[in-house]
Amino acid sequence: KQEVTQIPAALSVPEGENLVLNCSFTDSAIYNLQWFRQDPGKGLTSLLLIQSSQREQTSGRLNASLDKSSGRSTLYIAASQPGDSATYLCAPRPNSGYSTLTFGKGTMLLVSP
Amino acid sequence: DAGITQSPRYKITETGRQVTLMCHQTWSHSYMFWYRQDLGHGLRLIYYSAAADITDKGEVPDGYVVSRSKTENFPLTLESATRSQTSVYFCASSEFLSSYEQYFGPGTRLTVT
Repeated sequence: KQEVTQIPAALSVPEGENLVLNCSFTDSAIYNLQWFRQDPGKGLTSLLLIQSSQREQTSGRLNASLDKSSGRSTLYIAASQPGDSATYLCAPRPNSGYSTLTFGKGTMLLVSP
Repeated sequence: DAGITQSPRYKITETGRQVTLMCHQTWSHSYMFWYRQDLGHGLRLIYYSAAADITDKGEVPDGYVVSRSKTENFPLTLESATRSQTSVYFCASSEFLSSYEQYFGPGTRLTVT
């Protein structure tokens, strides 16, 4: 059974800092991995999807990397802003079956002005 | 509006009552999912569907029933609600052609008294 761990569980930084969120997973047989953000009381918004054959995927100030063999992904946020404050979740998708996601418990990020 | 919608957004019901949560998507995605989100447990998969009339259990299916007679709708029914089913419920959809990237609805906050 896939297990997903996200470290740290919470992070508080001043505006402008570059930061890294970590995601590790136990089963490396994945099809791809998705990063989401969740604002309080809201649904999940897809940020990046990185395929198992890719090393990196970028969208604006966000960069996700994937090291499938070691079971790790990182989400890099450049020049953080207060609007980045949210919970960030990673979810690998397995190669087999109906491709259901397994979610980590997330990293709660607070960016202060 | 295009996208994925859930109704109701908020629901209070009593123990033992039947309640149905609705999910509708306009993308004609093949796959649809129901998750529940609870503090300390994160997001857990209840049921999913690969196509109309094809459904399967996820991690926490007990006490829930699903059906999918049309591609765009995936209702979730709590046949006899219990307090332990108090949670936030999210519906999601995905499609092979977009690498199974999952898109989430806004959620339904259900309270069972």
